[in-house]
Amino acid sequence: QVLLVESGGGVVQPGGSLRLSCATSGFTFTSYAMHWVRQAPGKGLEWVAFIRYDGSDKYYADSVKGRFTISRDNSENILYLQMNSLRTEDTAVYHCAKDRHPNLFDYWGQGTLVTVSS
Amino acid sequence: DIQVTQSPSFLSASVGDRVTITCRASQDISSYLAWYQQKPGKAPKLLIYTASTLESGVPSRFSGSASGTDFTLTISSLQPEDFATYYCQQLKTYPLTFGGGTKVEIK
Repeated sequence: QVLLVESGGGVVQPGGSLRLSCATSGFTFTSYAMHWVRQAPGKGLEWVAFIRYDGSDKYYADSVKGRFTISRDNSENILYLQMNSLRTEDTAVYHCAKDRHPNLFDYWGQGTLVTVSS
Repeated sequence: DIQVTQSPSFLSASVGDRVTITCRASQDISSYLAWYQQKPGKAPKLLIYTASTLESGVPSRFSGSASGTDFTLTISSLQPEDFATYYCQQLKTYPLTFGGGTKVEIK
């Protein structure tokens, strides 16, 4: 079965950095685009970033553009999110999600909590 | 950016009730809209895509429809396991956007 497992969350000070990972299994990772979606505590869902199956295209939400970088390792079936210049408003549970074309999230990980606080 | 306005934000209903949730897109998105269900502490689950196509394994009491830029999720007879928060999402263009959510609670 499809499994997505995020890791790398934690507490970080404003201006700091974190790298999230999403380990995948149960599907042909190299054939599918992937996304990151976040949810601030008690709030709704916010799409963060997209990466095409081969890494050739990437898109970002305006709120993270220039600070976050999505990438993937197709040899290890892992998705990443490098988060720099973190702000308090980036505090959220970050989910990775498998794409079903176009831009449908058909499988989700349980998420990893990122807390940005001094 | 395409805005998706979801209503109501909160809904109180009883088991067996017919429930309707609406999303309105700020511009034409054709049928590029999906619905998700989220229970507390869990990841969202895909229910419906392309406005009206039921995801495999989702009970037939869930249905979706579209009229122009207005989209509707209907639960024909609310079951205890349906109490959750529901989100719509437009798939048409980046940035991908969600509605604000509708929390369905037990009356």
